[in-house]
Formats: sequence, C-alpha cells, structure tokens
Amino acid sequence: DTAVSQTPKYLVTQMGNDKSIKCEQNLGHDTMYWYKQDSKKFLKIMFSYNNKELIINETVPNRFSPKSPDKAHLNLHINSLELGDSAVYFCASSQDTPFGAGGRQFFGPGTRLTVL
Amino acid sequence: EDKVVQSPLSLVVHEGDTVTLNCSYEVTNFRSLLWYKQEKKAPTFLFMLTSSGIEKKSGRLSSILDKKELFSILNITATQTGDSAVYLCAGGMDSNYQLIWGAGTKLIIKP
Repeated sequence: DTAVSQTPKYLVTQMGNDKSIKCEQNLGHDTMYWYKQDSKKFLKIMFSYNNKELIINETVPNRFSPKSPDKAHLNLHINSLELGDSAVYFCASSQDTPFGAGGRQFFGPGTRLTVL
Repeated sequence: EDKVVQSPLSLVVHEGDTVTLNCSYEVTNFRSLLWYKQEKKAPTFLFMLTSSGIEKKSGRLSSILDKKELFSILNITATQTGDSAVYLCAGGMDSNYQLIWGAGTKLIIKP
C-alpha cells in the first residue's frame, strides 16, 4: 500500500490555466506538507497543515491555495499558471514525535508540472 | 536566519571509493538532523540523528552528528553505481514542524 500518494504524476498545461494536485496519506500522520523542487533540486517548503490547520505558509504567490478537507488529505490548487511554476511538487507527511516536531517526513512520488 | 549548508555540491568518484558528505547547520531550537537520498523520484529517508557522537549505520552508509560544532557527515564506503543520487540533509526544529533543507550533494559513481 502506498503511504503517501499524489495525483496526477505528470501535468502539462498552458499558461493561464487553473489546475489542482491531490495528496493523500494513509499513515495516520497529523502533519502534511507541500514542497516545490526546481531544476536545481532545491526543496522549498510552501505550506504545512497540522490536523487541518495551516501552520506554515511561506512566501508563495497567492495563486497557490492549499486545502485540507481532513488530516489525511492536502490538495494544492494553482490559479493562472505561469511558466515559472514548472517544477516537481512533492507532498509529504510526518507524525509529531513525543518530544515535539523535527521528525521524519515521508514523501509522495511527486507531480511534475510543465507549463507551456 | 536558519540555514543548512551542504558540501561539496557535487562529487564524482569511482566505484569502490569511500566518500564523505558534509552538512553544517544553524537551526533555531535544533532537534534533529535528517539525511535523505533522492534518485529520480521522491527523497527517501536514510537517517535521523538527535544525539551527538552516536554513529548510525545502515550497510555501507553511516552518519554522525556533532551538536557542538553544528555539523553532520554521511559516509559511504565501497561505493556502487547505485549510490549515484542527490543526498539531502535537513535540520529539524523542536518548536515547529518545519525542516530546513540543504541544497544537496550530487554524487556520481563511475564504474
């Protein structure tokens, strides 16, 4: 069984379109994340939700909007797509440790977004 | 500002060589240092270190943390072509859920 799954795996679209990426985890974790990884492989945190509550909201264009219908799902909606949005988007989840945060994150397979 | 710096950024060695990858960190309320391996897809977990001086080992890979000097190393002995990947390290905070990621070391193992 896949622990963290994302759909779609590949997304090719035109500039100006709106698209969504879905993420689900079956690990029972409390916290989920969205990362953007550019061509240089740098992982940049975008958002994090803990028990459906937004806890990390980095400097990201407001065209990006996360939605967490329940703690097992965290979706990412992107409006008015731009060329610079082309990247791989990873969803991840983690379980708080008894000592607080700073624990291991489990990653989904990634969604490669190409904006033409 | 919190940051994690990895060195070298890239490394090319021959099969059978031993490599050492470096990770230094400045992380507020530091809790843990994590190493991940990324091939073509998602990062996969290697180690999480929370205590200084205790080596973690998995096969040919090992890692150690120095909380006084604020760094960690990842060693790979008897390298194989399958070790070719980007190795990422990240610092975990005790106060929130964020990991501070380094830029990665791209390791290429030549046959």
